Amino acid sequence: AQSVTQLDSQVPVFEEAPVELRCNYSSSVSVYLFWYVQYPNQGLQLLLKYLSGSTLVKGINGFEAEFNKSQTSFHLRKPSVHISDTAEYFCAVTIKAAGNKLTFGGGTRVLVKP
Amino acid sequence: DTEVTQTPKHLVMGMTNKKSLKCEQHMGHRAMYWYKQKAKKPPELMFVYSYEKLSINESVPSRFSPECPNSSLLNLHLHALQPEDSALYLCASSPGVLGETQYFGPGTRLLVL
Repeated sequence: AQSVTQLDSQVPVFEEAPVELRCNYSSSVSVYLFWYVQYPNQGLQLLLKYLSGSTLVKGINGFEAEFNKSQTSFHLRKPSVHISDTAEYFCAVTIKAAGNKLTFGGGTRVLVKP
Repeated sequence: DTEVTQTPKHLVMGMTNKKSLKCEQHMGHRAMYWYKQKAKKPPELMFVYSYEKLSINESVPSRFSPECPNSSLLNLHLHALQPEDSALYLCASSPGVLGETQYFGPGTRLLVL
């Protein structure tokens, strides 16, 4: 079975500063990787995904993530955050080309301060 | 268009009530999901429908009863719920069943009194 670990439960950051959210996964088979964002009182919105190809993935709202197979990581970055980026961020995986069970990490709460 | 809609947005019910949550997608997706999310936690999978058939039931109590009337619609029937069932209920859909991207709706916030 696969598992996902988000190493930081909370990340406070000042507006216009960079942010990195860490995600590590464990799986005996190949996986697809996802980052979702959840704004207060809303559903989950897909930020970006890695299915195959280039290991650097660009998503919406200026976010990007890099897949590192040797370190089994998929860290999310943004070079300059805005107040509106305050939200909960979830890393998730599914088994590549098989099954549809999405396994989530515990989430990282990003609080952007002015 | 990657929109999944859910109704109602909020629901308050007593422990003896019967209510239903509704989810709809018009993206031609063939898999649909129900998740339960408690505050400050990630979503927990409840049910998966693949090609309109129940394929995964994550040992959910029988007071939750899913239904998939057609490929675009997913319902969750609620009966005799407990206060601990209060949560955000999220619906999602994906094109197929091979690990593709899941697209989530806005959720129904349920309060059981």
